[in-house]
Amino acid sequence: SAVISQKPSRDICQRGTSLTIQCQVDSQVTMMFWYRQQPGQSLTLIATANQGSEATYESGFVIDKFPISRPNLTFSTLTVSNMSPEDSSIYLCSVEGTVGNTIYFGEGSWLTVV
Amino acid sequence: KQEVTQIPAALSVPEGENLVLNCSFTDSAIYNLQWFRQDPGKGLTSLLLIQSSQREQTSGRLNASLDKSSGRSTLYIAASQPGDSATYLCAAGFQKLVFGTGTRLLVSP
Repeated sequence: SAVISQKPSRDICQRGTSLTIQCQVDSQVTMMFWYRQQPGQSLTLIATANQGSEATYESGFVIDKFPISRPNLTFSTLTVSNMSPEDSSIYLCSVEGTVGNTIYFGEGSWLTVV
Repeated sequence: KQEVTQIPAALSVPEGENLVLNCSFTDSAIYNLQWFRQDPGKGLTSLLLIQSSQREQTSGRLNASLDKSSGRSTLYIAASQPGDSATYLCAAGFQKLVFGTGTRLLVSP
């Protein structure tokens, strides 16, 4: 299994500001994944973060809006830039477990933009 | 492009009932199918993973099956309890997951 910690768990943000979400894993992993869950909807993959290289973004998501860092094998950050109310979502970090292919998620970071 | 749907969107049952949640996917060449549980305002808890070469997995009162030829997976919950109330999500893929729309389950005492 994998234990994932995310910070902050919740935040209320002002329109136009940026917020950085941290994801810490209790074991070394090659890839970390960032998802967004908008209110009442399911999860959508934003990007894949590899240590030592640039993140790979899914269609509809761009680096300028969601810059990602991956400084080592247990940590990643996702920044939501120039926020608007449409960015109000739960942002979740996930990794593949060290045994088998099970995917594990953090508790999520619930952002509300006002 | 893989698309995943879940039926029903919501389900309300009395405690003790056995129930089945359905998950359909469009691309039968999936790698894995994973079921998750999400409590309100919380992250996802992994319930069961079915790898491509497997047909089912069991954990306690939960049993998940996978039929790639028909593009379907089912999650069977035996003897449901109020603590099972949550949203259940299925997801297809390997590392990068495509999620279904979820089934919101309410089990009444």
